[in-house]
Amino acid sequence: SSEVTQDPAVSVALGQTVRITCQGDSLRSYYASWYRQKPGQAPQLVMYGGNNRPAGIPDRFSGSSSGNTASLTIFGAQAEDEADYYCESRDSTGNHLLFGEGTRLTVL
Amino acid sequence: QVQLQESGPGLVKPSQTLSLMCSVSGGSISSGTYYWTWIRQPAGKGLEWIGHLYTRGGITYNPSLKSRATILVDKSKNEISLRLTSVRAADTAVYYCARGPPALGTKCSGSICTNYNYYYMNVWGTGTTVIVSS
Repeated sequence: SSEVTQDPAVSVALGQTVRITCQGDSLRSYYASWYRQKPGQAPQLVMYGGNNRPAGIPDRFSGSSSGNTASLTIFGAQAEDEADYYCESRDSTGNHLLFGEGTRLTVL
Repeated sequence: QVQLQESGPGLVKPSQTLSLMCSVSGGSISSGTYYWTWIRQPAGKGLEWIGHLYTRGGITYNPSLKSRATILVDKSKNEISLRLTSVRAADTAVYYCARGPPALGTKCSGSICTNYNYYYMNVWGTGTTVIVSS
């Protein structure tokens, strides 16, 4: 399959830990990158190459991978983490980028 | 700090050609090695990768666009452009340009590790809205 799939929505209580997952065959061969998008804003890179955080992203964000699943874990979720999160990988050729459908994270 | 700003016509008629510009400020397109990428997002929907231009050579497009897309660079204007021909209502979206450096990844499965080239997009424009309507 050339798709990567995500749960449409996930919620977490303030201060708790939440895992956002992404599944797809390509994730066996490539690490995912993750983008966060708040309403009315452009996406923002929060994780790349599996578990690399860009400058300015808090260390409560962590990436991991197992088999065909990539995960973005937020330890101690904060209100400002509420956003849509997109995973990004490759298609079956490895030459084209693919985004998951996105996961809406709600912080309760 | 490099900044990207997309611009375009806003409204395009079906079957026409859409032309979008991504103006780069705070740095030169000719400096460094990067992937310059176009991505779009229909209202209320997810992100779709359109294609990228690699400054060391090579342009790759999303095959779903069936050769309608063309990405060009104008170094004299410090701009990246996107042309999309034969537009239809389904092309209505916010269009983003983004830039990212190349990287080398190593993915291991058990004791077997494979190196691969990839890139990530760490600089984004604010996006420009395109509506395709008669």
